[in-house]
Amino acid sequence: DAKTTQPPSMDCAEGRAANLPCNHSTISGNEYVYWYRQIHSQGPQYIIHGLKNNETNEMASLIITEDRKSSTLILPHATLRDTAVYYCIVITTGNQFYFGTGTSLTVIP
Amino acid sequence: EAQVTQNPRYLITVTGKKLTVTCSQNMNHEYMSWYRQDPGLGLRQIYYSMNVEVTDKGDVPEGYKVSRKEKRNFPLILESPSPNQTSLYFCASSLSLPRLAHSPLHFGNGTRLTVT
Repeated sequence: DAKTTQPPSMDCAEGRAANLPCNHSTISGNEYVYWYRQIHSQGPQYIIHGLKNNETNEMASLIITEDRKSSTLILPHATLRDTAVYYCIVITTGNQFYFGTGTSLTVIP
Repeated sequence: EAQVTQNPRYLITVTGKKLTVTCSQNMNHEYMSWYRQDPGLGLRQIYYSMNVEVTDKGDVPEGYKVSRKEKRNFPLILESPSPNQTSLYFCASSLSLPRLAHSPLHFGNGTRLTVT
């Protein structure tokens, strides 16, 4: 089953880009990479997903390496409200979501 | 408003007293799942359902039951709760089978359960 590893915590200055890495070295060819974030103890919120190509939406950009073994979520101009736990996940062959422990991002004023 | 609704938000109970946490979605989603979240362990999947009458175990199914008699509802049942089931629980749904299409999960607001 494809699973992910992320650094446990990161800091980012307000207004700067936050780059959150994720390793998913066992990902299969047709498995999507999803990113979610969780603010305090609220339900996780979808951010973005991708398969092979880089993706961008109003919240973030997703860069996936050519071999698909890792990806980076980019928040281009981090604000204090972006302080949250960010989860990189892939979906197993059994339709299960594996969330892991994520990266706790702190945006510093 | 499209949403996933869990009830109750907070629940305190005693060991062995059966309880049910309800989950309902109004988006006609096929896929629904339950997670528990504990400090240092992230979110762990308990059960999931790909459609009515179809349920499968996640990573931590022991001590839990689920049912999917209707598309919109996916209750989580603890027949005999124990203190190690004290946790924050989330229900989630998505439009279709996660592997087959990019269909993000929509989460409820969580149920904080305490078993004494």
